[in-house]
Amino acid sequence: EVQLVESGGGLVQPGGSLRLSCAASGVTASAHFMDWVRQAPGKGLEWVGRSKNKANIYSTEYAASVRDRFTFSRDDSKNSLYLQMNNLKSEDTAVYFCAIYINGRPGWGQGTLVTVSS
Amino acid sequence: EIVLTQSPGTLSLSPGERATLSCRASQSVSNNYLAWYQQKAGQAPRLLMYAASGRAPGIPDRFSGSGSGTDFTLTITSLEPEDFAVYYCQQYGSSPGTFGQGTKVEIK
Repeated sequence: EVQLVESGGGLVQPGGSLRLSCAASGVTASAHFMDWVRQAPGKGLEWVGRSKNKANIYSTEYAASVRDRFTFSRDDSKNSLYLQMNNLKSEDTAVYFCAIYINGRPGWGQGTLVTVSS
Repeated sequence: EIVLTQSPGTLSLSPGERATLSCRASQSVSNNYLAWYQQKAGQAPRLLMYAASGRAPGIPDRFSGSGSGTDFTLTITSLEPEDFAVYYCQQYGSSPGTFGQGTKVEIK
């Protein structure tokens, strides 16, 4: 069974940084595209970006709202995807989910909460 | 960017009734990679359907998805009490990925 577990969320001040992790089990993450998605309190779902698979040299795409501040990376030895968030703003407050796409079927984790506040 | 428009915004129905939710894309969805999710307060989205008509494991067969290209539909044949929730569609065939704004299915 495929499982994704996000971690690393917490309270951070505006302008600060945070690194989220998404650990995969039951699947070789490097073979698959993965996304980060977020949901601000009381709002809908927002795509943050995509990390393509190893065959596509882990190329990345980002939403305009986070480009130049957020960076994705992978660690194959840990079967994990990471989200480095810099220069955080109050509007980045959200639950962050990672998703994986296996043979056209998405799988999601349970999310981790990031709160940006002074 | 593919814009997804869900309708209606709110659907007021009684248990046992049929629910029909629409998701319209501003351009064709690649490979019909259109998913439907159910979300309840305080919970992560739950995958219902993928690739427009594939039912996710463990999802009851009262849920079905149809459509292709730009027009997609989620149908719940007979609403159970646990089906009252918010439903989102997502296209994941191309970047940027996009979501609809959601349809709330509420008890009438």
